[in-house]
Amino acid sequence: GENVEQHPSTLSVQEGDSAVIKCTYSDSASNYFPWYKQELGKRPQLIIDIRSNVGEKKDQRIAVTLNKTAKHFSLHITETQPEDSAVYFCAASGTGANSKLTFGKGITLSVRP
Amino acid sequence: DGGITQSPKYLFRKEGQNVTLSCEQNLNHDAMYWYRQDPGQGLRLIYYSQIVNDFQKGDIAEGYSVSREKKESFPLTVTSAQKNPTAFYLCASSMGTSVETQYFGPGTRLLVL
Repeated sequence: GENVEQHPSTLSVQEGDSAVIKCTYSDSASNYFPWYKQELGKRPQLIIDIRSNVGEKKDQRIAVTLNKTAKHFSLHITETQPEDSAVYFCAASGTGANSKLTFGKGITLSVRP
Repeated sequence: DGGITQSPKYLFRKEGQNVTLSCEQNLNHDAMYWYRQDPGQGLRLIYYSQIVNDFQKGDIAEGYSVSREKKESFPLTVTSAQKNPTAFYLCASSMGTSVETQYFGPGTRLLVL
């Protein structure tokens, strides 16, 4: 089955700097890659996603890039703010009737004021 | 994601007891999911259902059971066979297959007395 890994497990940046979080996946058939943000004690919320027919997608300060050849995708956050501090999960999914999302273990991002 | 509710927020289980976690959605979504979240482990899929009266095991189904008698409801029972049930349980729903965005409920924290 699919295996999704996130590196590093924690990341600390200075407010205003950029943060990049990378995920790798194992199943070359995967074609949907969402990113979720989870604040302490709250539900995960989708912040951006990308499908395999697109190499990059942007939404204001957030962007995701996908490299299908290398089987990795990355979340880029520019001009980080303290409210960006949270756990970020990446996930991957294939197609098919019983395909399902496989999540990475999460990365804790801390933005220092 | 405000259309997904979970209850209770906290649940205490005694040894040998079965407990049931509620998940309801009013988004008219076909698919519903149950995940377990442990610290540092990310989200692991317990069960999922893509249509009423049908469901499939996820990666960690042992010790759990579900039913899907109504489109809007997908309760999860944690049985006495689950020896380590302490975790944060998250329910999610999506329009259809896993390539659609999943929206999460607020979660139920299960603790063992």
